[in-house]
Amino acid sequence: DTEVTQTPKHLVMGMTNKKSLKCEQHMGHRAMYWYKQKAKKPPELMFVYSYEKLSINESVPSRFSPECPNSSLLNLHLHALQPEDSALYLCASSQPQGFQPQHFGDGTRLSIL
Amino acid sequence: SQQGEEDPQALSIQEGENATMNCSYKTSINNLQWYRQNSGRGLVHLILIRSNEREKHSGRLRVTLDTSKKSSSLLITASRAADTASYFCAPALVETSGSRLTFGEGTQLTVNP
Repeated sequence: DTEVTQTPKHLVMGMTNKKSLKCEQHMGHRAMYWYKQKAKKPPELMFVYSYEKLSINESVPSRFSPECPNSSLLNLHLHALQPEDSALYLCASSQPQGFQPQHFGDGTRLSIL
Repeated sequence: SQQGEEDPQALSIQEGENATMNCSYKTSINNLQWYRQNSGRGLVHLILIRSNEREKHSGRLRVTLDTSKKSSSLLITASRAADTASYFCAPALVETSGSRLTFGEGTQLTVNP
C-alpha cells in the first residue's frame, strides 16, 4: 500500500465535463506535486506546492487548475480537457527542504472522450 | 535541462543475473535519484546519491555517480522476477520549494524466471 492516496483510480470524462482529482497524504510532508505520465513515457512535472502555496507551474494549460486546501490534501480541477490530456496523473509528496525522496501515489488514469 | 537519458531502453535477463542501467544528464545537479515503477502503479523511490558521493549501496542496489562525466549507473545484483519494472533516473536540483525532478526516459527491465 502506498502512503499517498489518489482518488479516483480511473476517470472517464467528456471534453465539456468538470471533474477533480484528489490526493491525500498523512506523512507530514509540506511539498506536494502533480505529474502527468503518458504511456511508456516518464512522468512530467506539472505543479509544485510548498507550504500550501503554488511554487512551480510548468506552463500547464489553464484547463488544469491545482488547489491545496491544507497540508494533507492536493486537488487537480479539470475543465474542458482535450483527448491528448488522457494520461496517468500522479501525485507525490516530500519534505521541501534538503535532499528528500518523493513518495508517489498510484495515480488516476484519465481518459477523455 | 536536468533530464536524464537512460541506456539501455530495454533489458531482458535471467533470474540471478546482474542488471546494469546507465543514466547521463547535461546540467549541474545536487543529487540524483532512482525510482522504480511497476506496471500500472506509482513510482517507488529506490536510492538517492548526493553530488559529493561517488557510490552508494542499499541491499542489492549499487549506485555510482560521476559528476565529471555527468553520468550515473544503477546495478541490481542477483536479480529476481519481482524486479521486473521500469527504472527511472531523476537528476535533481533542490530548490527552496522542494526537489525539481526531471525523469529520464527509463529502462524497462524484464527478469525471466
